[in-house]
Amino acid sequence: DAKTTQPNSMESNEEEPVHLPCNHSTISGTDYIHWYRQLPSQGPEYVIHGLTSNVNNRMASLAIAEDRKSSTLILHRATLRDAAVYYCIRLTNSGNTPLVFGKGTRLSVIA
Amino acid sequence: DGGITQSPKYLFRKEGQNVTLSCEQNLNHDAMYWYRQDPGQGLRLIYYSQIVNDFQKGDIAEGYSVSREKKESFPLTVTSAQKNPTAFYLCASSMIGNSYEQYFGPGTRLTVT
Repeated sequence: DAKTTQPNSMESNEEEPVHLPCNHSTISGTDYIHWYRQLPSQGPEYVIHGLTSNVNNRMASLAIAEDRKSSTLILHRATLRDAAVYYCIRLTNSGNTPLVFGKGTRLSVIA
Repeated sequence: DGGITQSPKYLFRKEGQNVTLSCEQNLNHDAMYWYRQDPGQGLRLIYYSQIVNDFQKGDIAEGYSVSREKKESFPLTVTSAQKNPTAFYLCASSMIGNSYEQYFGPGTRLTVT
C-alpha cells in the first residue's frame, strides 16, 4: 500500500514549469513526504523531501498543503532530461525506513 | 568517490540455478535495501537491513535470501525457489530515520531462461 495517489502521466512543454500533484490524505503528523524520480533503465534518484514547510533545492520545490493531505512537486523549468517517472512517497517515523513505491507519474517533456 | 555499486549490470542464468547479486556502499550508511522492479511497475521491497547481522523481510521475500556480514555489503541471492526471477534489481542505502534520503545503485538486470 503506497498510501499516496498520483496521476499516471503528465505532459509538459520544455522550459515551462511543471506541477506534479500527490495526494496523501491519511498522512500522520510525523510522516515525511519524499519525492524520487527514475530515468529509464536507471535506479531512482532522490529529488526532495519535506515535513510541513515548503522546501526548495537545486532540483525542485516542494509545496505542502497546510493540512498536509496533499503536496506538489514543482519543476521550475522542465528540460528534456526531466522526463522520468516521479514517485511521491510517504515515510513514517517508525524507525524502519523502507520506501513504499506506487506507480508514480510518468512525465513527458515536449521540445 | 562515494556511492553504491552493483554488479554485474546484466546477468543471465538458466532456470534452477541460484544467483547472487552484489551490492556495496561506501557512504557509511547503516541501512541497506533490496528492491525488485518489473516492467512498467514501481519498486517492491525484498529485504532490508538496519544493522550488521540483522535483516528483515519485505513484501516479496519468498525465493530470496540475504546476508549482512559487513556494514558495506548486502548481497542478494535469488534462489531456484523464486518463481519469476527475471527482473530489474535495485539496491539502496540510507541513514536510519524518515528524514534521510535513500541512495540507489545503478541496478542489475537479471534474465533467467
